Amino acid sequence: QKEVEQNSGPLSVPEGAIASLNCTYSDRGSQSFFWYRQYSGKSPELIMSIYSNGDKEDGRFTAQLNKASQYVSLLIRDSQPSDSATYLCAVNTGGFKTIFGAGTRLFVKA
Amino acid sequence: GAGVSQSPSNKVTEKGKDVELRCDPISGHTALYWYRQSLGQGLEFLIYFQGNSAPDKSGLPSDRFSAERTGGSVSTLTIQRTQQEDSAVYLCASRNIPVAEQYFGPGTRLTVT
Repeated sequence: QKEVEQNSGPLSVPEGAIASLNCTYSDRGSQSFFWYRQYSGKSPELIMSIYSNGDKEDGRFTAQLNKASQYVSLLIRDSQPSDSATYLCAVNTGGFKTIFGAGTRLFVKA
Repeated sequence: GAGVSQSPSNKVTEKGKDVELRCDPISGHTALYWYRQSLGQGLEFLIYFQGNSAPDKSGLPSDRFSAERTGGSVSTLTIQRTQQEDSAVYLCASRNIPVAEQYFGPGTRLTVT
């Protein structure tokens, strides 16, 4: 079982819709959770961090965490073509190592 | 403020040559990480530094790979006798312990011909 799992996609949504990206993790001791956006040919860019159960909103982005279900998600409201990228879920268990998922490719169709 | 910088941005080398990749972390960040990303693949952890020491070298693919960090700042990743399978983007990230967020540099694209 992979430590951090994501659907590879591609996930295709129309412009203006809500994109929902999901991630599950295996280590119940995980404490910190991150979403990175990676455009083609570029390096990962941190867009959201979440540490406690519930929702965290930042502009059009909402991160959701459910530690009991070992599940973290990212919602992108009013999706734009510029949101088309690969989204990496990352999990830290409190140590030095952060485990990255393989990423979900998102396409937003104009 | 300045982010993580890496050099060179692109490197083309012949099989069998040695290469050095450089990472300059965000000022004051105590931890530094190296990752490798092959085309269309996820991030592969290589090594991390806490200060100048590398407690976890488990991700280095072979003994041809080595890394060092000096002065708690700049790090170099050295690949000896490069092979075609070493072709990838090498990413560096830094982190300000105990904060968990890592911030990535732009990467070095290595092509071994």
